[in-house]
Amino acid sequence: DAGVIQSPRHEVTEMGQEVTLRCKPISGHNSLFWYRQTMMRGLELLIYFNNNVPIDDSGMPEDRFSAKMPNASFSTLKIQPSEPRDSAVYFCASSLGTSQTGELFFGEGSRLTVL
Amino acid sequence: SQQGEEDPQALSIQEGENATMNCSYKTSINNLQWYRQNSGRGLVHLILIRSNEREKHSGRLGVTLDTSKKSSSLLITASRAADTASYFCATLLNTNAGKSTFGDGTTLTVKP
Repeated sequence: DAGVIQSPRHEVTEMGQEVTLRCKPISGHNSLFWYRQTMMRGLELLIYFNNNVPIDDSGMPEDRFSAKMPNASFSTLKIQPSEPRDSAVYFCASSLGTSQTGELFFGEGSRLTVL
Repeated sequence: SQQGEEDPQALSIQEGENATMNCSYKTSINNLQWYRQNSGRGLVHLILIRSNEREKHSGRLGVTLDTSKKSSSLLITASRAADTASYFCATLLNTNAGKSTFGDGTTLTVKP
């Protein structure tokens, strides 16, 4: 079975540019999470969706960040405009909401470098 | 702030030795999970322990949970060089909340 698929794996961009990260969750999973990982702040939850609906976006750092989930098989995280402090690894994870365990399945991450 | 805090931050042992990592958390939980992350990769779920369980084993992994102390330990027995990775605990407050909160992780190095 395919796991969570993220793209791109690596992105290098200049400050002020728009960045779009993409995620395809595991088929049948109805919860999707976006995390950000940095050395300084560890693994932070940015936003999560349940049945394509955003449930908690309290972790989204600023209005420059937005996330969408137009259907059950696709989500995007957009940063516009990007800043050097946004440099991090962004992970998408999905889970089967009815499993009652919260077990997360992670993608391999998108490493973003903003110059 | 992060719900879970692991200690030690870094651990270095010889192959064959046992490795113990600890996690403390702040609020009541539904369950606690341990994940592993190899360098440059995503996190992989290892083992889950529910709030009404005290101990659980899976192969070379053992987990304990002390809800009175709000702490958990992960034990890896007979470690191998391939166990070198970062290990994170994650707490799920309740199944309705859905979201897990991760600690800062323990970096384990197993020397061959």
